[in-house]
Amino acid sequence: ETGVTQTPRHLVMGMTNKKSLKCEQHLGHNAMYWYKQSAKKPLELMFVYSLEERVENNSVPSRFSPECPNSSHLFLHLHTLQPEDSALYLCASSHDTGTADEQYFGPGTRLTVT
Amino acid sequence: KQEVTQIPAALSVPEGENLVLNCSFTDSAIYNLQWFRQDPGKGLTSLLLIQSSQREQTSGRLNASLDKSSGRSTLYIAASQPGDSATYLCAVRWYGGSQGNLIFGKGTKLSVKP
Repeated sequence: ETGVTQTPRHLVMGMTNKKSLKCEQHLGHNAMYWYKQSAKKPLELMFVYSLEERVENNSVPSRFSPECPNSSHLFLHLHTLQPEDSALYLCASSHDTGTADEQYFGPGTRLTVT
Repeated sequence: KQEVTQIPAALSVPEGENLVLNCSFTDSAIYNLQWFRQDPGKGLTSLLLIQSSQREQTSGRLNASLDKSSGRSTLYIAASQPGDSATYLCAVRWYGGSQGNLIFGKGTKLSVKP
């Protein structure tokens, strides 16, 4: 596969469940991102990783826990979520985190918290 | 605060019509501006990227213009087709922003009727 892939594409979980979202990029990039897209709100940047180091955490609740084991893989671990966390979660990657580096997006995981 | 606004939120046009989508941004000190397309439940596809030194970019039936002084960009779609139906997102990078500093608008949902 090429580009940025995300699994699963759809996820339904209860508030007491623990689940993980996975992102993989096949572009040889050094930076990876998690975004949240809620209904009627702009995309919100959640986390930024550069060379497996977290470089940005935009005041995201601790019930969201990112993990970047290597520059090709990014996970978002979820636990004790709230219904308002239901959203489309998008992963992106770029060559580096510089202003000139274009981000490439995955197809997203549609998360529903019941 | 750096913000991106897109008007209208939704637009419905008959097939074949030329149309314009609008994007406005606070703070004219932008690095670049990017237009994306998002199909329902899917990720983002980059359409056009305009550097701050450029006035416009063209790709096929799409033309994006940038007027930094007025804080505006427009996406012109010529001879619209039903396949153009999607949500169009505008995103801005500013100088001195945080890493991964793409700020998105809420998007314009376009529907092209056959």
